[in-house]
Amino acid sequence: QSVLTQPPSVSGAPGQTVTISCTGSSSNIGAGYDVHWYQHLPGTAPKLLIYGNSNRPSGVPDRFSGSKSGTSASLAITGLQTEDEADYYCQSYDSSLSGSRIFGGGTKLTVL
Amino acid sequence: EVQLLESGGGLLQPGGSLRLSCAASGFTFSSDAMSWVRQAPGKGLEWVSTISGGGGTTLYADSVKGRFIISRDNSKNMVYLQMNSLRAEDTAVYYCAKVGGYDPFDYWGQGTLVTVSS
Repeated sequence: QSVLTQPPSVSGAPGQTVTISCTGSSSNIGAGYDVHWYQHLPGTAPKLLIYGNSNRPSGVPDRFSGSKSGTSASLAITGLQTEDEADYYCQSYDSSLSGSRIFGGGTKLTVL
Repeated sequence: EVQLLESGGGLLQPGGSLRLSCAASGFTFSSDAMSWVRQAPGKGLEWVSTISGGGGTTLYADSVKGRFIISRDNSKNMVYLQMNSLRAEDTAVYYCAKVGGYDPFDYWGQGTLVTVSS
């Protein structure tokens, strides 16, 4: 059981918009710690998509956006493309766990 | 271009030891913290350990504390993970990752597979 809760799967058709939620608590997201998002295709290196809740690294399309409110964060992907099919993880920090960076359980995005 | 290349994975028996290495290039290595993150088969990502740029601060997940040791050699642009008293549940792909501003893992290696099985 992950400290950050994500839906196991989401799906959408090409061109549609999907949102992936990441729910935490008062010791992590709710305490003000930043949330980061990663895209991971099996067998490859994970890729940073969003850092500091809503910032995109250079080279990440603006179809990807992040937001945070209270004890939750969200990743939105607009204009879905087939190559977006991957696993997505949120990540933050938890003050109740020594030194701990924490990940959500991951969400499998299927592009129908 | 930032590059991270892990090595040292393999198959070993429970109770054994293994040292993973990560060769870094393309950035000022001593300025950035480095981490290890793992993914067990069929599971999600799990943070394992982080070391500061100078090497003076190390952090560990509770699941590996007392068994794993992270270290770095800034003269060689290398980071290591010494894994002792290995258990079946340590079986995973281990990724080396650079820690960026705002504290995300901004660059990752391709990973190295560690299998602990009798």
